[in-house]
Amino acid sequence: AQSVTQLGSHVSVSEGALVLLRCNYSSSVPPYLFWYVQYPNQGLQLLLKYTSAATLVKGINGFEAEFKKSETSFHLTKPSAHMSDAAEYFCAVMNTGFQKLVFGTGTRLLVSP
Amino acid sequence: EPEVTQTPSHQVTQMGQEVILRCVPISNHLYFYWYRQILGQKVEFLVSFYNNEISEKSEIFDDQFSVERPDGSNFTLKIRSTKLEDSAMYFCASSEADGRVGSEQFFGPGTRLTVL
Repeated sequence: AQSVTQLGSHVSVSEGALVLLRCNYSSSVPPYLFWYVQYPNQGLQLLLKYTSAATLVKGINGFEAEFKKSETSFHLTKPSAHMSDAAEYFCAVMNTGFQKLVFGTGTRLLVSP
Repeated sequence: EPEVTQTPSHQVTQMGQEVILRCVPISNHLYFYWYRQILGQKVEFLVSFYNNEISEKSEIFDDQFSVERPDGSNFTLKIRSTKLEDSAMYFCASSEADGRVGSEQFFGPGTRLTVL
């Protein structure tokens, strides 16, 4: 069954530093991959998605992710963290032919001044 | 900007009682979903719904659960006889096109269900 693994339940960065949140997937065929963000007391908001059109995907709020088939990875990056980026980030996979999103356990991003 | 809304934001119920969680999907969306997140655990898929029938469901979605689109705007999740382990945040989502082609699912803010 398809799944995603997010390394690190918490990641701490300083404001202005690079953000790197890791996600590895397991799937027998190239899947659809998503990053969602959840701010406190809010729903899940899509940051970006990979649907096989391009391996480097740009999303909202300056985030981007690169699909690397050889490494089965879809890590999320942002060159310079803002305080407003503090939130929980979820990687999710959807295999073709299925409708359900399979989520990782989430990574809480903490940004210090 | 259109959004998915859910009511109530927090529901407290006694074990064995029936609860109905309500969602209003984005108006031109055709596919609807329920997910849940038990505290400290992953967000898990429960069910997807299209054209007035369930199109996919997980093993969690047993006979205690049902979904309905009672009118043109609401989408509900009913838990017939709640158990302690049903305590979780329940998220409704909707998408314009079939999720199987990678269509984005838009999520509501969730309903926190507490079963005592």
